[in-house]
Amino acid sequence: DVKVTQSSRYLVKRTGEKVFLECVQDMDHENMFWYRQDPGLGLRLIYFSYDVKMKEKGDIPEGYSVSREKKERFSLILESASTNQTSMYLCASRSEGLVGELFFGEGSRLTVL
Amino acid sequence: AQSVTQLGSHVSVSEGALVLLRCNYSSSVPPYLFWYVQYPNQGLQLLLKYTSAATLVKGINGFEAEFKKSETSFHLTKPSAHMSDAAEYFCAVSDEADYKLSFGAGTTVTVRA
Repeated sequence: DVKVTQSSRYLVKRTGEKVFLECVQDMDHENMFWYRQDPGLGLRLIYFSYDVKMKEKGDIPEGYSVSREKKERFSLILESASTNQTSMYLCASRSEGLVGELFFGEGSRLTVL
Repeated sequence: AQSVTQLGSHVSVSEGALVLLRCNYSSSVPPYLFWYVQYPNQGLQLLLKYTSAATLVKGINGFEAEFKKSETSFHLTKPSAHMSDAAEYFCAVSDEADYKLSFGAGTTVTVRA
């Protein structure tokens, strides 16, 4: 089975702190994604990466950056956390060519005080 | 650009009753359509997908969905609800050339004993 592991299930940070959310997948997938999930808004794409060291902005990239130095790992970075970034963050991966079939991690719930 | 609209943010059904979740899409090209399910405190998992083959798609756990181009709809049904179906359900759309999925806002299903 594909496994997507997010390093932290729950985090509490203070405004202005730098936050790292880590995601690792074990199925050699080329594509990886970071989504943000908020009630009533569904999932919104922050960034995605279609290969190592490649990244593209999604629909809501402001305030975020990403890093993908190795194929299995995709990190989401909040350079200076703000209260409006309090949310559930979901990482997903997909094999190239399998349109839409994403495999998700369990999510990281971030609270910014 | 593609988008989906899920009608109804909450659906409550009795155990054994029909489950019907509505999804309408907007796409300028033939779409790929998906339903994902999120159980409490878990990530999303794929229920079923439509990729231009049969219009009636069967998924896991007894769910199915029908693609109706004339109505731009992809409604999800299950003939008989079970307590374990309590979850949040997301409709999503993509096209072949696009790495990204666009998700609906989600529908939370509660099942009454």
